[in-house]
Amino acid sequence: GAVVSQHPSRVICKSGTSVKIECRSLDFQATTMFWYRQFPKQSLMLMATSNEGSKATYEQGVEKDKFLINHASLTLSTLTVTSAHPEDSSFYICSARSIPRGASYNEQFFGPGTRLTVL
Amino acid sequence: AQSVTQLGSHVSVSEGALVLLRCNYSSSVPPYLFWYVQYPNQGLQLLLKYTSAATLVKGINGFEAEFKKSETSFHLTKPSAHMSDAAEYFCAVRDTGTASKLTFGTGTRLQVTL
Repeated sequence: GAVVSQHPSRVICKSGTSVKIECRSLDFQATTMFWYRQFPKQSLMLMATSNEGSKATYEQGVEKDKFLINHASLTLSTLTVTSAHPEDSSFYICSARSIPRGASYNEQFFGPGTRLTVL
Repeated sequence: AQSVTQLGSHVSVSEGALVLLRCNYSSSVPPYLFWYVQYPNQGLQLLLKYTSAATLVKGINGFEAEFKKSETSFHLTKPSAHMSDAAEYFCAVRDTGTASKLTFGTGTRLQVTL
C-alpha cells in the first residue's frame, strides 16, 4: 500500500520559535494533501487542504498566517507553525490522496503524525 | 453537511468477546464510509471502507462492518476481541466527489480485558 511519512515524529521548541513539519508521499504522487490537528483524547480536526502548486484552503477558524502550508511538489507538503505558543502543542497528522485515472474513488493515506510540544 | 456520530466514547470488552462499535452517519446521499484505528502516538490505519459496493465490508484484523441505509449506520464488529485490538477507533464519512473531505467521528476507545 501507499506510504506517507512525516518528519520529525516529535519536536520540542521554545515559545516564539517556528517549527516546520514535512509530509511526504513515498511511492505515489499526491495531488491533494491534508493537515489535521488532534488534541489529547479527541478526534482529528481538518486544518487545511492543499493541492500541488496552489494555495492551501484553510478551514474556518484556522489562522493561515499562523499555520503556513506549502505543497511545492506532488510528493511533499510542509506545515510551518510560526511563532509557536504552548497552546499550539498538539499532534499534527498529514494525509495524502491521489486521483487514479478513470477511478471514481481515491484512497487517502495518513502519515504517522508529529507530536509538537511548545515550552 | 455530513457528520458521523459514534455512540460510546469508551467501550470495554473481555478478551474473546464480541466487539461492537457503533457509527451513524448523516448524509443526503449514500456516502463513502470508513473505519480507522489509531494506536497511541501513531497515525491512522484504515481498517475497512464502504464505497457503494457490497454492504458487508470485511477489513483487516478480523473486523467487518455493515452498511445499513435504512438505519444510516455503519457499525464495526469483530467476533472475538484480542488484547491487541485495544486502541482508538474512528468512523469517518466522505461524500463521493473526488475532491471531498473526510469528516471524523469523536472516536471510541476500545479496552480489552482479560
